[in-house]
Amino acid sequence: EGQLVESGGGLVQPGGSLRLSCDASGFSFSSNWMNWVRQAPGKGLEWVANIKPDGIGKNYVDSVKGRFTISRDNAKNSLYLQMDSLRAEDTAVYYCTTISNSAFDYWGQGTLVTVSS
Amino acid sequence: DIVMTQSPLSLPVTPGEPASISCRSSQSLLHSNGYNYLAWYLQKPGQSPQLLIYVTSNRASGVPDRFSGSGSGTDFTLKISRVGTEDVGVYYCMQTLQTPVTFGPGTKVDIK
Repeated sequence: EGQLVESGGGLVQPGGSLRLSCDASGFSFSSNWMNWVRQAPGKGLEWVANIKPDGIGKNYVDSVKGRFTISRDNAKNSLYLQMDSLRAEDTAVYYCTTISNSAFDYWGQGTLVTVSS
Repeated sequence: DIVMTQSPLSLPVTPGEPASISCRSSQSLLHSNGYNYLAWYLQKPGQSPQLLIYVTSNRASGVPDRFSGSGSGTDFTLKISRVGTEDVGVYYCMQTLQTPVTFGPGTKVDIK
């Protein structure tokens, strides 16, 4: 069974940067689209970005375009999210997920990002 | 962007009784392959979301058969035939027909 473990969250000041990582195991990482989904405290789920298996095709939600960059290293079975110019509204738990049969099947436990001065 | 709505947003339930959640999309979720790209998730308190149903009506691995999904186009329903105390949490529908992927606002299910 697939496992995803996120890391890299923490407290950062507005305008700062943070890099999230997601380590995958138990499935064919290099064959799967990968996604980041976030959840602000007490709020619902918001898709953030996805990346093709080849690491070239990428998509972002409008609110993070130009500030966040998704990437992957298939040799390390790892997914990343570089977050720059962070804002208070980026405060959330960030989950990495796989997609299979057009649905997000495996989810990590999430990593909390807090943007505050 | 495809907007997802759910009703009700809050659903108190009696254990052993049935429950139903509606999800509507602002555009049809029907793909040219004949499948509707609609999924359902349950997020139990303090946990990550877990997949219940994919492409409208297919139960994910390990999901009890008391959960069923139906619908087509823009109207979808998740039904729980007999609610258990372990089913409390927030239920989300999600579309993956188009980018950006979008979720419904969630339906909070708790015990009366």
